[in-house]
Amino acid sequence: QKEVEQDPGPLSVPEGAIVSLNCTYSNSAFQYFMWYRQYSRKGPELLMYTYSSGNKEDGRFTAQVDKSSKYISLFIRDSQPSDSATYLCAMKEGGSYIPTFGRGTSLIVHP
Amino acid sequence: DADVTQTPRNRITKTGKRIMLECSQTKGHDRMYWYRQDPGLGLRLIYYSFDVKDINKGEISDGYSVSRQAQAKFSLSLESAIPNQTALYFCATSAVLAGGPTDNEQFFGPGTRLTVL
Repeated sequence: QKEVEQDPGPLSVPEGAIVSLNCTYSNSAFQYFMWYRQYSRKGPELLMYTYSSGNKEDGRFTAQVDKSSKYISLFIRDSQPSDSATYLCAMKEGGSYIPTFGRGTSLIVHP
Repeated sequence: DADVTQTPRNRITKTGKRIMLECSQTKGHDRMYWYRQDPGLGLRLIYYSFDVKDINKGEISDGYSVSRQAQAKFSLSLESAIPNQTALYFCATSAVLAGGPTDNEQFFGPGTRLTVL
């Protein structure tokens, strides 16, 4: 079993829908939790960054971490076709500089 | 201008050939990384370097070697390419920050699509 599990999808939703993307993990030492967005033929870019448990909101995006369940989520409100991309979760132990990435979930938002 | 550049962007080669992928960055970061991305497998770390004199193996280093020629340049070599090394390769960089909110964020290049026939 991989340290970080992420359903690869694809996840197809209509424009305006609320999207929920999720990852589970097994390493209880993870303290930093990231979401990267990767457009087709591009490198990943950091979208959201959370330390420890709790929620973090940035515009239409909300990152949520539940360390007791070893589960993280990314919510996208009012999804747009421009949100169509692959979303990768990544996690890092405190004091480590190397993140562990999930496989990525392909999201398609159709007009 | 791109901060992290990779050359070539696409490459087709034959089994047994030696090939080098190059990465350059203008971000002034000390740390550089090479990943490969395969469908369904996500990003896997091949090698990483925290400064010019520091080279470390990642989880899948067999069949690969690297060279850190300068702070800004980090090259990945496939000594004798084989078909299962067909993948998308990414170079990434990160800075040494003191407790910033995005401490150790990685910045990725545009990728090199490598096909080994």
